[in-house]
Amino acid sequence: SQTIHQWPATLVQPVGSPLSLECTVEGTSNPNLYWYRQAAGRGLQLLFYSVGIGQISSEVPQNLSASRPQDRQFILSSKKLLLSDSGFYLCAWIPTGPPYNEQFFGPGTRLTVL
Amino acid sequence: GEDVEQSLFLSVREGDSSVINCTYTDSSSTYLYWYKQEPGAGLQLLTYIFSNMDMKQDQRLTVLLNKKDKHLSLRIADTQTGDSAIYFCADFGGSARQLTFGSGTQLTVLP
Repeated sequence: SQTIHQWPATLVQPVGSPLSLECTVEGTSNPNLYWYRQAAGRGLQLLFYSVGIGQISSEVPQNLSASRPQDRQFILSSKKLLLSDSGFYLCAWIPTGPPYNEQFFGPGTRLTVL
Repeated sequence: GEDVEQSLFLSVREGDSSVINCTYTDSSSTYLYWYKQEPGAGLQLLTYIFSNMDMKQDQRLTVLLNKKDKHLSLRIADTQTGDSAIYFCADFGGSARQLTFGSGTQLTVLP
């Protein structure tokens, strides 16, 4: 069966510090991978998606970046965090095989920037 | 760009039916989804409907889709306190096969 892991679950970081959030998927190969952010307990915004190793597309301009060093690993990074980066970060994946339409979400990382 | 809208709050009495509404703008959406988020938790897929369907029923959940008006609704029958959560509708599409989410409806079930 397929599973998705995210860590850490909770993170408190000072403004200006670096960030690295990791997401890994098991039980599938060549998935599409996504990073979403949920600010202030509300709607989700797509930040990045990846259709393959080393292929990253950004949906919104920001001080965050993403990388996909391995097929089932997706990393969200920042060199210097801003207060506005606080939020709930969700990784998701969708298989390239059936079911083509279902997107699976990880448990999320709650980031607080102080 | 694509847009998905929902009302922010809904309160119902335990045992009543809840109806959460959603509108979307992308006429090329292939699937429309309902997700549930409990406090401090991730997203749980509740149900989805293919865009060529009008209705889908799954136990206490009924999804209605009016494609002409681009209107989606989720009806929860016999609402329980455990149904209290934020409900997100989302449409699926785009070159990245991504989900575009509404802002979420906070459902509060009163005893």
